[in-house]
Amino acid sequence: EAQVTQNPRYLITVTGKKLTVTCSQNMNHEYMSWYRQDPGLGLRQIYYSMNVEVTDKGDVPEGYKVSRKEKRNFPLILESPSPNQTSLYFCASSSRILHGYTFGSGTRLTVV
Amino acid sequence: TQLLEQSPQFLSIQEGENLTVYCNSSSVFSSLQWYRQEPGEGPVLLVTVVTGGEVKKLKRLTFQFGDARKDSSLHITAAQPGDTGLYLCGGEGSNDYKLSFGAGTTVTVRA
Repeated sequence: EAQVTQNPRYLITVTGKKLTVTCSQNMNHEYMSWYRQDPGLGLRQIYYSMNVEVTDKGDVPEGYKVSRKEKRNFPLILESPSPNQTSLYFCASSSRILHGYTFGSGTRLTVV
Repeated sequence: TQLLEQSPQFLSIQEGENLTVYCNSSSVFSSLQWYRQEPGEGPVLLVTVVTGGEVKKLKRLTFQFGDARKDSSLHITAAQPGDTGLYLCGGEGSNDYKLSFGAGTTVTVRA
Protein backbone atom coordinates (compact mmCIF):
# COMPACT_ATOMS: atom_id res chain seq x y z
CA GLU A 1 0.00 0.00 0.00
CA ALA A 2 1.32 3.44 -0.97
CA GLN A 3 1.80 5.43 2.18
CA VAL A 4 3.75 7.88 4.27
CA THR A 5 4.63 6.48 7.69
CA GLN A 6 5.43 8.72 10.64
CA ASN A 7 6.61 7.63 14.05
CA PRO A 8 5.71 8.06 16.79
CA ARG A 9 2.01 9.04 16.63
CA TYR A 10 2.14 10.59 20.09
CA LEU A 11 5.10 11.95 22.05
CA ILE A 12 5.38 13.79 25.33
CA THR A 13 8.82 15.12 26.16
CA VAL A 14 10.54 17.66 28.37
CA THR A 15 12.10 20.95 27.37
CA GLY A 16 15.60 20.55 25.97
CA LYS A 17 15.59 16.82 25.37
CA LYS A 18 16.55 16.12 21.76
CA LEU A 19 14.06 14.12 19.73
CA THR A 20 13.59 12.81 16.21
CA VAL A 21 10.33 12.18 14.38
CA THR A 22 10.81 9.71 11.57
CA CYS A 23 9.10 9.81 8.18
CA SER A 24 9.28 7.21 5.45
CA GLN A 25 7.51 6.89 2.09
CA ASN A 26 7.31 3.88 -0.21
CA MET A 27 6.27 5.65 -3.42
CA ASN A 28 9.70 6.72 -4.70
CA HIS A 29 8.61 10.36 -4.44
CA GLU A 30 11.17 13.10 -5.00
CA TYR A 31 9.51 15.77 -2.87
CA MET A 32 9.08 15.50 0.88
CA SER A 33 7.96 18.09 3.35
CA TRP A 34 7.24 18.69 7.03
CA TYR A 35 4.33 20.77 8.28
CA ARG A 36 3.03 21.75 11.68
CA GLN A 37 -0.64 22.36 12.30
CA ASP A 38 -1.90 24.67 15.04
CA PRO A 39 -5.50 25.79 15.71
CA GLY A 40 -6.43 28.83 13.63
CA LEU A 41 -3.09 28.85 11.81
CA GLY A 42 -3.57 25.97 9.40
CA LEU A 43 -0.65 24.00 8.02
CA ARG A 44 2.67 25.78 8.06
CA GLN A 45 5.66 24.39 6.24
CA ILE A 46 8.78 23.74 8.31
CA TYR A 47 11.23 22.29 5.79
CA TYR A 48 10.99 20.68 2.41
CA SER A 49 13.22 18.58 0.20
CA MET A 50 13.18 18.36 -3.58
CA ASN A 51 15.48 15.36 -3.71
CA VAL A 52 18.24 13.49 -1.88
CA GLU A 53 20.66 15.90 -0.17
CA VAL A 54 18.54 18.89 -1.25
CA THR A 55 16.63 20.58 1.56
CA ASP A 56 15.31 24.09 2.07
CA LYS A 57 13.60 26.12 4.75
CA GLY A 58 9.87 26.55 4.76
CA ASP A 59 7.98 29.28 6.56
CA VAL A 60 8.71 28.26 10.18
CA PRO A 61 12.12 26.49 10.28
CA GLU A 62 13.45 27.90 13.57
CA GLY A 63 14.23 25.19 16.11
CA TYR A 64 14.08 22.33 13.59
CA LYS A 65 16.54 20.38 11.49
CA VAL A 66 16.04 17.85 8.71
CA SER A 67 18.15 15.54 6.59
CA ARG A 68 17.55 13.67 3.33
CA LYS A 69 20.24 11.04 3.01
CA GLU A 70 17.96 8.55 1.29
CA LYS A 71 15.03 9.16 -1.01
CA ARG A 72 12.51 7.39 1.20
CA ASN A 73 13.36 8.96 4.57
CA PHE A 74 13.02 12.51 5.82
CA PRO A 75 13.44 12.74 9.62
CA LEU A 76 12.56 15.88 11.58
CA ILE A 77 14.96 16.70 14.41
CA LEU A 78 14.29 18.97 17.37
CA GLU A 79 17.68 19.57 18.99
CA SER A 80 16.31 21.40 22.04
CA PRO A 81 12.51 21.28 22.09
CA SER A 82 10.59 24.10 23.73
CA PRO A 83 6.91 24.32 24.75
CA ASN A 84 6.08 26.50 21.72
CA GLN A 85 6.90 23.50 19.55
CA THR A 86 3.93 21.64 21.00
CA SER A 87 1.91 20.93 17.89
CA LEU A 88 0.57 18.37 15.42
CA TYR A 89 3.21 17.50 12.84
CA PHE A 90 2.68 16.05 9.39
CA CYS A 91 5.11 14.62 6.90
CA ALA A 92 4.10 14.55 3.24
CA SER A 93 5.54 13.40 -0.07
CA SER A 94 4.85 14.08 -3.73
CA SER A 95 6.01 13.06 -7.16
CA ARG A 96 7.80 15.60 -9.37
CA ILE A 97 5.37 14.90 -12.19
CA LEU A 98 2.07 14.40 -10.40
CA HIS A 99 0.95 17.32 -8.28
CA GLY A 100 -0.60 16.57 -4.95
CA TYR A 101 0.85 15.37 -1.67
CA THR A 102 0.29 12.19 0.31
CA PHE A 103 0.29 12.95 4.01
CA GLY A 104 1.20 10.79 6.97
CA SER A 105 -1.19 10.29 9.87
CA GLY A 106 0.52 12.87 12.03
CA THR A 107 2.60 13.08 15.20
CA ARG A 108 1.15 14.88 18.17
CA LEU A 109 4.03 16.35 20.14
CA THR A 110 3.74 17.86 23.60
CA VAL A 111 6.75 19.59 25.14
CA VAL A 112 6.43 20.29 28.87
CA THR B 1 5.56 33.11 1.29
CA GLN B 2 2.40 32.99 -0.81
CA LEU B 3 -0.51 33.99 1.40
CA LEU B 4 -3.70 32.01 0.82
CA GLU B 5 -6.94 33.21 2.34
CA GLN B 6 -9.83 30.83 2.74
CA SER B 7 -13.41 31.85 3.40
CA PRO B 8 -15.51 31.27 5.28
CA GLN B 9 -13.61 29.94 8.27
CA PHE B 10 -16.63 27.97 9.49
CA LEU B 11 -19.70 26.74 7.66
CA SER B 12 -22.64 24.84 9.16
CA ILE B 13 -25.45 23.74 6.87
CA GLN B 14 -28.34 21.30 6.73
CA GLU B 15 -28.10 18.07 4.77
CA GLY B 16 -29.17 18.65 1.16
CA GLU B 17 -28.03 22.27 0.97
CA ASN B 18 -25.25 23.54 -1.28
CA LEU B 19 -22.06 25.25 -0.12
CA THR B 20 -19.06 27.03 -1.62
CA VAL B 21 -15.62 27.53 -0.12
CA TYR B 22 -13.25 30.13 -1.53
CA CYS B 23 -9.47 30.28 -1.69
CA ASN B 24 -7.86 33.56 -2.72
CA SER B 25 -4.35 34.92 -3.12
CA SER B 26 -2.43 37.72 -4.79
CA SER B 27 0.15 35.18 -5.98
CA VAL B 28 0.11 33.06 -9.12
CA PHE B 29 0.34 29.31 -8.54
CA SER B 30 1.47 26.46 -10.76
CA SER B 31 -1.26 24.34 -9.20
CA LEU B 32 -3.98 24.65 -6.60
CA GLN B 33 -4.76 21.60 -4.50
CA TRP B 34 -7.78 20.85 -2.32
CA TYR B 35 -7.61 18.51 0.65
CA ARG B 36 -10.06 17.26 3.25
CA GLN B 37 -8.95 16.43 6.75
CA GLU B 38 -10.86 14.52 9.40
CA PRO B 39 -10.05 14.71 13.13
CA GLY B 40 -6.96 12.73 14.08
CA GLU B 41 -5.91 12.11 10.48
CA GLY B 42 -3.71 13.68 7.85
CA PRO B 43 -5.15 15.70 4.96
CA VAL B 44 -6.30 13.67 1.97
CA LEU B 45 -5.96 15.05 -1.54
CA LEU B 46 -9.29 15.65 -3.29
CA VAL B 47 -8.17 17.30 -6.51
CA THR B 48 -5.42 19.29 -8.19
CA VAL B 49 -6.17 22.03 -10.72
CA VAL B 50 -3.37 23.22 -12.95
CA THR B 51 -4.76 25.23 -15.89
CA GLY B 52 -6.31 28.68 -15.48
CA GLY B 53 -10.09 28.46 -15.86
CA GLU B 54 -10.05 24.72 -15.29
CA VAL B 55 -13.12 23.07 -13.78
CA LYS B 56 -13.02 19.58 -12.28
CA LYS B 57 -15.88 17.54 -10.91
CA LEU B 58 -15.67 14.78 -8.35
CA LYS B 59 -19.19 13.39 -7.82
CA ARG B 60 -21.01 16.21 -5.96
CA LEU B 61 -17.86 18.36 -5.64
CA THR B 62 -16.93 20.95 -8.26
CA PHE B 63 -13.54 22.66 -8.22
CA GLN B 64 -12.64 25.73 -10.23
CA PHE B 65 -9.28 27.43 -10.82
CA GLY B 66 -9.37 31.13 -11.60
CA ASP B 67 -8.30 32.33 -15.04
CA ALA B 68 -5.28 34.10 -13.57
CA ARG B 69 -4.33 31.05 -11.45
CA LYS B 70 -4.60 33.08 -8.23
CA ASP B 71 -7.83 31.76 -6.75
CA SER B 72 -10.03 28.71 -6.57
CA SER B 73 -13.42 27.58 -5.30
CA LEU B 74 -14.92 24.34 -4.07
CA HIS B 75 -18.66 23.85 -4.49
CA ILE B 76 -20.54 20.97 -2.90
CA THR B 77 -24.01 20.15 -4.18
CA ALA B 78 -26.58 18.52 -1.91
CA ALA B 79 -24.18 18.19 1.02
CA GLN B 80 -24.28 15.06 3.15
CA PRO B 81 -23.09 14.46 6.73
CA GLY B 82 -20.16 12.51 5.28
CA ASP B 83 -18.88 15.78 3.75
CA THR B 84 -18.18 17.12 7.24
CA GLY B 85 -14.51 17.96 7.71
CA LEU B 86 -11.77 20.55 7.43
CA TYR B 87 -11.22 21.65 3.82
CA LEU B 88 -7.79 23.00 2.98
CA CYS B 89 -6.53 24.67 -0.16
CA GLY B 90 -2.85 24.52 -0.99
CA GLY B 91 -1.03 26.59 -3.59
CA GLU B 92 2.10 25.30 -5.27
CA GLY B 93 4.66 27.99 -6.08
CA SER B 94 5.53 28.64 -9.70
CA ASN B 95 9.28 28.66 -9.13
CA ASP B 96 10.03 26.59 -6.08
CA TYR B 97 7.20 24.03 -5.93
CA LYS B 98 6.63 24.88 -2.27
CA LEU B 99 3.08 24.07 -1.15
CA SER B 100 1.53 26.72 1.11
CA PHE B 101 -1.86 26.29 2.74
CA GLY B 102 -4.75 28.46 3.73
CA ALA B 103 -6.05 28.27 7.31
CA GLY B 104 -8.88 25.96 6.27
CA THR B 105 -12.67 25.92 6.30
CA THR B 106 -14.46 23.74 8.84
CA VAL B 107 -17.62 22.37 7.26
CA THR B 108 -20.36 20.77 9.34
CA VAL B 109 -23.32 19.15 7.62
CA ARG B 110 -26.21 18.47 9.98
CA ALA B 111 -28.47 15.48 9.35
